[in-house]
Amino acid sequence: DAKTTQPPSMDCAEGRAANLPCNHSTISGNEYVYWYRQIHSQGPQYIIHGLKNNETNEMASLIITEDRKSSTLILPHATLRDTAVYYCIVGTDQTGANNLFFGTGTRLTVIP
Amino acid sequence: ETGVTQSPTHLIKTRGQQVTLRCSSQSGHNTVSWYQQALGQGPQFIFQYYREEENGRGNFPPRFSGLQFPNYSSELNVNALELDDSALYLCASSLEKGLNEKLFFGSGTQLSVL
Repeated sequence: DAKTTQPPSMDCAEGRAANLPCNHSTISGNEYVYWYRQIHSQGPQYIIHGLKNNETNEMASLIITEDRKSSTLILPHATLRDTAVYYCIVGTDQTGANNLFFGTGTRLTVIP
Repeated sequence: ETGVTQSPTHLIKTRGQQVTLRCSSQSGHNTVSWYQQALGQGPQFIFQYYREEENGRGNFPPRFSGLQFPNYSSELNVNALELDDSALYLCASSLEKGLNEKLFFGSGTQLSVL
């Protein structure tokens, strides 16, 4: 089921950019890349998603390589509240269902 | 706040019992998905409902069933509870089904089976 590979953990200094990598070498042409995060004891929170082009919103930027086999989530100025587990997910459309396989994600720790 | 609420927040049941978990989606959201999250793992897809019909199912047995109602509420029912059913159960709503959608998650129901 695993369609993405992420490092299990990363640290980032407060105020610096956090760059979280994700490999998805078997992605197919109509599958999106999604990023969600989960802060302890809460439900996952949507961050951003994209198909081919780079995307930016108020939370983050998503950089997708031209061959779409990998991507990077960028949090431009990490704060302590960004400490969370970050999930990179490739959307699988089975019988029309948006079945997201979360995996185990990257645990990002923002250090003061 | 995502506008998705779940009840109860915590629940304790014994093996063999049945449980019903409830979710209230954002108004106007036609799709609700349910996920199970075991301790230390990512959420696992159970099933999705679109306009009150099941629209896809993960690798869960038939004793996991659901309902979606016209008022944007939904239920997850689990029969014959097993110890391994102890987990955080999350519901998520979206405007429509399909890939180009954001999911809005509730905070979950923590189920403990003794």
